[in-house]
Amino acid sequence: AQKVTQAQTEISVVEKEDVTLDCVYETRDTTYYLFWYKQPPSGELVFLIRRNSFDEQNEISGRYSWNFQKSTSSFNFTITASQVVDSAVYFCALSADNFNKFYFGSGTKLNVKP
Amino acid sequence: DAGVIQSPRHEVTEMGQEVTLRCKPISGHDYLFWYRQTMMRGLELLIYFNNNVPIDDSGMPEDRFSAKMPNASFSTLKIQPSEPRDSAVYFCASSLLGKENIQYFGAGTRLSVL
Repeated sequence: AQKVTQAQTEISVVEKEDVTLDCVYETRDTTYYLFWYKQPPSGELVFLIRRNSFDEQNEISGRYSWNFQKSTSSFNFTITASQVVDSAVYFCALSADNFNKFYFGSGTKLNVKP
Repeated sequence: DAGVIQSPRHEVTEMGQEVTLRCKPISGHDYLFWYRQTMMRGLELLIYFNNNVPIDDSGMPEDRFSAKMPNASFSTLKIQPSEPRDSAVYFCASSLLGKENIQYFGAGTRLSVL
């Protein structure tokens, strides 16, 4: 069975703080993909990153970084020096046996206060 | 490039009425997905198409829901008759398997059934 758990329902930080959003996944497949999406207050879902199961290198994009650890089945997302514009709901997703089917976590709502 | 385009953005209707949601996928994409998002159930995959053919409709909640894709650039999701519990945000997404397997989402249609 495929499953994604985002245990943090809501996080509040003050601007410029660093924040990490946790994502834990479950799959028995050896080939799979992990994704992060952002849903700002305007409602659309914006793709942030895709990572395949064979690439455990961490990735950095500006203030965003992702830490993929197969040993703990985690794909965590860190925002450095958070800004008010980072306020959104962030979803982690997994695609495995059927790469068309995405299994989404329940999302983490991030509130960044000025 | 234009992204996934959904219309209308907002729909308010009365119970028992027919509702039609529309989606134009990204040009060249061969997969199209319909999702529903609610607070209680999160993001649920309703149905997806490959090359205009429905592949998996196991997420369609009831016979009141139907989806079509008459051509590569257009899809509809119809609810007839609508019920208050159908109130949700409906997303359309498209992807190109084999190249990226990234689903790109439209802005969503917020449906309110009174």
